[in-house]
Amino acid sequence: QVHLQESGPGLVKPSETLSLTCAVSGYSISSGYYWGWIRQPPGKGLEWIGSIYQSGITYYNPSLKSRVTLSMDTSKNHFSLKLSSVTAADTAVYYCARRAVYSGSYCFDYWGQGTLVTVSS
Amino acid sequence: EIVLTQSPGTLSLSPGERATLSCRAGQSVSSNSLAWYQQKPGQAPRLLIYGASTRATGIPDRFSGSGSGTDFTLTISRLEPEDFAVYYCQQYGSSRFTFGPGTEVDIK
Repeated sequence: QVHLQESGPGLVKPSETLSLTCAVSGYSISSGYYWGWIRQPPGKGLEWIGSIYQSGITYYNPSLKSRVTLSMDTSKNHFSLKLSSVTAADTAVYYCARRAVYSGSYCFDYWGQGTLVTVSS
Repeated sequence: EIVLTQSPGTLSLSPGERATLSCRAGQSVSSNSLAWYQQKPGQAPRLLIYGASTRATGIPDRFSGSGSGTDFTLTISRLEPEDFAVYYCQQYGSSRFTFGPGTEVDIK
C-alpha cells in the first residue's frame, strides 16, 4: 500500500519561503509516476500546485509558477515543495499525492493526510 | 485554463435517496480527463471516478459517472450515511489540473 506523509513548519512568516516534504512509503518514487502537490485554503476548494517526475520534469500551475519549486530526492524516497514570498493567501492545507494515469485518464490516486500551513507574523 | 463549475453548491438529501451532481466545463474536454473525488471533513480527497465513468478500486457500485464534452454527472444511486461529504470534479489538460468548487451533499 502506498503511503504519503507531509511534513514541515506549520507557521511561516509573510514574505518568507514555505518548505514542505512528502515522504513516500510502499513505493519507490524512482520507479515511475508523477508526484504532486495540491492545496486547500480553509473552507475552500482544491488548487493544484504542480507535479514532478523522477527525471526532474516539472509542471506548475501558471498562477503560482513564479514562486514554486518542486524537487525530488530518490535516495530518501521523498519529494519537496518550496513556495516563496508567501502571504496570508497561501494559508492552506497542503496535500501531496501520486499522479496516476488509468487508461489515459490523469488523476491523483494516493494522497497524504495533509498539513496545515498558516502564514502569519 | 479550463474552468469547471459544479452545481448545486449544496444538495440536501436523506439516506436512501438518489444524488445527482453536475460538473460543467468552460470548453469541451476529453472524457478521459475528468475525475471525481469525495472529501470528508478533516480528510484528504478520495478518488471515486476517473475517465468520467470508471470507478476507482474499492468504490461501491452505487457511485457512477457519466457525461461527455462539457457536461458530466456523478450519481449516487442510494445515499448511505457515509456518503454525506463534499464532491469535487477535476479536469486534466495541457499538462495542468483544475478542480471544480465542489458540491456538498448534506443530510436533510
